[in-house]
Amino acid sequence: TQLLEQSPQFLSIQEGENLTVYCNSSSVFSSLQWYRQEPGEGPVLLVTVVTGGEVKKLKRLTFQFGDARKDSSLHITAAQPGDTGLYLCAGLPAGPGAQKLVFGQGTRLTINP
Amino acid sequence: GAVVSQHPSRVICKSGTSVKIECRSLDFQATTMFWYRQFPKQSLMLMATSNEGSKATYEQGVEKDKFLINHASLTLSTLTVTSAHPEDSSFYICSARDKLAGWNEQFFGPGTRLTVL
Repeated sequence: TQLLEQSPQFLSIQEGENLTVYCNSSSVFSSLQWYRQEPGEGPVLLVTVVTGGEVKKLKRLTFQFGDARKDSSLHITAAQPGDTGLYLCAGLPAGPGAQKLVFGQGTRLTINP
Repeated sequence: GAVVSQHPSRVICKSGTSVKIECRSLDFQATTMFWYRQFPKQSLMLMATSNEGSKATYEQGVEKDKFLINHASLTLSTLTVTSAHPEDSSFYICSARDKLAGWNEQFFGPGTRLTVL
């Protein structure tokens, strides 16, 4: 069974601080996606990374895919209250025929004004 | 990005009744749709994978006779919770994979909150 270990599971920081969320696995993924979910809503896709070592930026959010495609990180600079939510990483296992995403446990982020 | 809708967004039903939840891909064709269940403050748990025109593949521990899935077209999949009981109360979310997308991205619906009394 492939697992994605996401950490931290809970994070509460002050507005303006920086933070990093990690997703780690011993398995290789052909792609990895990051989602943000608000209470009572479905996850919204933020980014997909597919190449080892790839870095993508979305305003104050920076996403990185590990060189070996086994891990990924999400870094938020100068966090704002609007960044509050549940962040989920999800990877598609490498290999033919794979179509089911493997989800991390999620990181519940709270940004305090 | 691609849009996935779910209906209804909330449903309250009595124990023993059946509830149907619809999942639609609005601006793309989805050969594969997925049904998830999410408990409070937890991540998503995959229930089943639905391929258009064929039987759904259920995850271990998910009763296929209780959670009926029909993927009748490239834009519609339905989940029917039969003889619902209070323990079936949960947040059900579908996702769809764009047939033409290169990276197997999944787009999620807004979810359906089911409460069984």
